This record gives sequence, structure tokens and C-alpha cells, in this order.
Amino acid sequence: AQSVAQPEDQVNVAEGNPLTVKCTYSVSGNPYLFWYVQYPNRGLQFLLKYITGDNLVKGSYGFEAEFNKSQTSFHLKKPSALVSDSALYFCAVRDGGSQGNLIFGKGTKLSVKP
Amino acid sequence: NAGVTQTPKFQVLKTGQSMTLQCAQDMNHNSMYWYRQDPGMGLRLIYYSASEGTTDKGEVPNGYNVSRLNKREFSLRLESAAPSQTSVYFCASSGFGRGAATGELFFGEGSRLTVL
Repeated sequence: AQSVAQPEDQVNVAEGNPLTVKCTYSVSGNPYLFWYVQYPNRGLQFLLKYITGDNLVKGSYGFEAEFNKSQTSFHLKKPSALVSDSALYFCAVRDGGSQGNLIFGKGTKLSVKP
Repeated sequence: NAGVTQTPKFQVLKTGQSMTLQCAQDMNHNSMYWYRQDPGMGLRLIYYSASEGTTDKGEVPNGYNVSRLNKREFSLRLESAAPSQTSVYFCASSGFGRGAATGELFFGEGSRLTVL
């Protein structure tokens, strides 16, 4: 069965510093991986996805993610964090059995302090 | 550009009451989904619909029913609400199945339900 794990409930970063939000996955077959962001009292917004090709995927708001097949990881990164990046981040993998359904991790709360 | 629209945004029910959450998308997507979000548990799939006229159970379907009224609309019904159904419910849609097998999901703003 497909699954994703986000090992950190919370990540704290100072504004201007690089940030990393970790995600590992377990899939049978090719992984289709996604990152979403959720601001307070809002729906989830798509950031980026990895389907195939380059291991470094660039997405919205300056975020990028690195796909590492040997480590089964898909960590979200940003070179310089902003206070406005503070939100809840979800990693997800496509469920191969369902019609496009995504299986989500439990989420990581990112807090960026001035 | 509305995207995915959910109603109501907030609802308080008493145990045993029924209600329907409405969802509509204007992106001509085939696939639609209902998730619930609970603290520390991420999002869990309740039901999904791959196309008009079809629905399938997800991870946590008990206590819920759905209707894919047409291509645009996908409703979620609680027949007899229980406190365990207190949650935030999200509707989503995807172009999956129209040659977009890798399509991302687009989410509504959520419906916050409290069952007393």
C-alpha cells in the first residue's frame, strides 16, 4: 500500500534562513508525489509535484522539492524563508488503486520567526 | 474563477440530526473527492467519484453517503450525525481520467462541522 510519512510535527526557522520540510514515501511502482500548503482556515493549495524527469522540482512561491529514489524521500525546500511561509504543509502520494486519490501525510507545521 | 465551492462553511448539529454538504466545481473535472481533516491525522478520504454516475468508498466511509448529481456537483450526506464526525470536510476535484493521470487535486475552502 502507498504511504507517506512526515517525521516532524513542527519545523521552526528564522526568516531568511533556508528551510526543509521532510517527507518519505513507500510505493509500489512509480511514485507520483505532491506537496500542498494550508493556511489557517483555508483549503489546501497545490505547491508542486514530481511525476518523472528531473529530481529537483520547482513550484509556487519559491519552493522546490528534491526527489531521491534511493532514500525514498521528497523533501520540500526553500532557500530563504519568509514569515508568510508559516503554514501547514502536506506531502502526498497518488494512490495507485483509486481514481486519482491522494494519500496524505499527517502534515508539518512550519513556523518562520522574524 | 471559482474553482471548487463548498457550502455551508460552518454547521453545528445535534447528535442524530442529518445534513448534506454541497460541493460544486467549474473546471470540467471528471473526478471528485470528499476528505475529512482531523488534528494530527492529515486528510482521510471518505468517498470519491471517478465520473458522473459512479461513486466509491474511501478509507473512512462509515456514517456517510454521497451523490454525484452531475459532472459539477458531488454532495456528502450525514444521515445521523455523531460527535465522532466533528471535523473539517474538504471537497476536491481533479482532471484525472481525462488524459491527466498525474493531475493534482484542487480543494475547496472547507466545511467546519461540529456535532454536539
